[in-house]
Amino acid sequence: AQSVSQHNHHVILSEAASLELGCNYSYGGTVNLFWYVQYPGQHLQLLLKYFSGDPLVKGIKGFEAEFIKSKFSFNLRKPSVQWSDTAEYFCAVANTGGFKTIFGAGTRLFVKA
Amino acid sequence: GAVVSQHPSWVICKSGTSVKIECRSLDFQATTMFWYRQFPKQSLMLMATSNEGSKATYEQGVEKDKFLINHASLTLSTLTVTSAHPEDSSFYICSARDEGLEQFFGPGTRLTVL
Repeated sequence: AQSVSQHNHHVILSEAASLELGCNYSYGGTVNLFWYVQYPGQHLQLLLKYFSGDPLVKGIKGFEAEFIKSKFSFNLRKPSVQWSDTAEYFCAVANTGGFKTIFGAGTRLFVKA
Repeated sequence: GAVVSQHPSWVICKSGTSVKIECRSLDFQATTMFWYRQFPKQSLMLMATSNEGSKATYEQGVEKDKFLINHASLTLSTLTVTSAHPEDSSFYICSARDEGLEQFFGPGTRLTVL
């Protein structure tokens, strides 16, 4: 069965610090990978996605993620976080048919000003 | 991006009553919609996948007779929680998928069953 594991449940950083959120998935076939963000009081928004091609994917607001197939990982990175990045981040995996998307448990990021 | 709306945003009902939640894709046609449930401080749990004009596919452990899903058109899916009980209180979120396989999420509906 598909599963998604996010390593950190809570992360606290100071502004300008670098961010890396881990995501590993378990699935035997070809997958599509996503990172979603949920800002306080708002609904989920797509940060970035990987379907195929360059495994280094750039998303909105300076975020990027790298798909490492051999490690079944899709870690999210940002070189310098801002206070406005305070949110909850969800990694998600879908099979290539896209019929079902499984979400990780989420990582709450708090950025101190 | 595309917009998905949910109605109502918050509903309070008495135990034993039924509640209907609507999910609409406002500016695109969604052949597939998903219904999730989110408990406090937890991730989204997929409840069912809804395809327009066909029966919904429920995840293991989700009672299809309790959570009735109807996807009557390419822009509307409804979730009806039948005979609601306090343990059904939760945040219900729908999403709609476009042809590019990206999911667009609604703002969610908070259900409180007294």
